[in-house]
Amino acid sequence: RKEVEQDPGPFNVPEGATVAFNCTYSNSASQSFFWYRQDCRKEPKLLMSVYSSGNEDGRFTAQLNRASQYISLLIRDSKLSDSATYLCVVPHPHNAGNMLTFGGGTRLMVKP
Amino acid sequence: DAGVTQSPTHLIKTRGQQVTLRCSPKSGHDTVSWYQQALGQGPQFIFQYYEEEERQRGNFPDRFSGHQFPNYSSELNVNALLLGDSALYLCASSQYVGTMNTEAFFGQGTRLTVV
Repeated sequence: RKEVEQDPGPFNVPEGATVAFNCTYSNSASQSFFWYRQDCRKEPKLLMSVYSSGNEDGRFTAQLNRASQYISLLIRDSKLSDSATYLCVVPHPHNAGNMLTFGGGTRLMVKP
Repeated sequence: DAGVTQSPTHLIKTRGQQVTLRCSPKSGHDTVSWYQQALGQGPQFIFQYYEEEERQRGNFPDRFSGHQFPNYSSELNVNALLLGDSALYLCASSQYVGTMNTEAFFGQGTRLTVV
């Protein structure tokens, strides 16, 4: 089993739609989690951090289910500019910025 | 405030050659990590440098080596290049505080093509 697994997609959704991605992780000792966004041929950029049960930032909501070892990312009212690859990231336990383990990414395409 | 900078942005090398990639961390950061991202995949951790020493290493062969300088900048060296080494190489910097690292910021990457 991979350490961090994501559905690669692509998820093709119309503008204004709500879309959700899931990510599963294997290390039960993991304490913190991140969602990064990566545009085509660019570097990953931090979208959200998840340290407890969840986090909300505008149209974006991240939720954590420790019992089932998965993290979800919900995007409401999708915009064309949300089109990107979303990477689920699990850092080394107890060390947020150190040795990040990435999922393969989920590609989102928002269409007019 | 300059973020993480990497050079060069693009590079083409021949199989068997050696390559050196460079990274300058974000101001105030003292830890540099390197990642390899093959096309269509997520980045994979290569190794991390702190206080001029390799602190952690991922599952990469010894052909991959690195260095960190007193000014915290870092180099990634790859010897005996293989076609499979073609990838985007990302540098991430963070700051070691207490027993933890702060959030990692990524550079724009170096796209290496091996022919």
